[in-house]
Amino acid sequence: EAGVTQFPSHSVIEKGQTVTLRCDPISGHDNLYWYRRVMGKEIKFLLHFVKESKQDESGMPNNRFLAERTGGTYSTLKVQPAELEDSGVYFCASSQEPGALTFGSGTRLTVV
Amino acid sequence: DAKTTQPTSMDCAEGRAANLPCNHSTISGNEYVYWYRQIHSQGPQYIIHGLKNNETNEMASLIITEDRKSSTLILPHATLRDTAVYYCIVRLENQGGKLIFGQGTELSVKP
Repeated sequence: EAGVTQFPSHSVIEKGQTVTLRCDPISGHDNLYWYRRVMGKEIKFLLHFVKESKQDESGMPNNRFLAERTGGTYSTLKVQPAELEDSGVYFCASSQEPGALTFGSGTRLTVV
Repeated sequence: DAKTTQPTSMDCAEGRAANLPCNHSTISGNEYVYWYRQIHSQGPQYIIHGLKNNETNEMASLIITEDRKSSTLILPHATLRDTAVYYCIVRLENQGGKLIFGQGTELSVKP
């Protein structure tokens, strides 16, 4: 089966600009997650969708981050406006049941 | 969430078994032990999980002590491609996909 696909793999933007990351989960996986690792820190949970509903968004750092999953298929994570501290690797993961997550390769975001 | 403690780094000779320990002394009765790994520049990869009993799959074995306060991930025949950071995570079954990653153990498999 195809894995979790993330696009783009790399993005370099200027501070204050907007960036939208996309994640295509494994087909049929109702659960979709966003995680990120910022420089020198541990991988942190951002949020969890079940189909199109946000199940847990306790890890979203602030209101500059907006995640959507219209139709319960792919998801987008928008950062607007981007700040320097948003630089890092953003991972998407999906699962059929909560637990054993399949992660994508991540999007490396650099804000300059 | 129960916290886990892992050694920062370990070395293993290629072809030998890699035994990665994890302490989770505050684990509660309904928390599972999960192991993931992250190979450089890739996303984390699920390896195995268990509650009380030892578990084995095509990738590894998980040995959980009887008191559940510690566990060991065993890679029976380590290869160079097993070089990665290994994360031991405890998780409530009804916690959804919220995994709390620590620093993990950086395993280096050497020829």
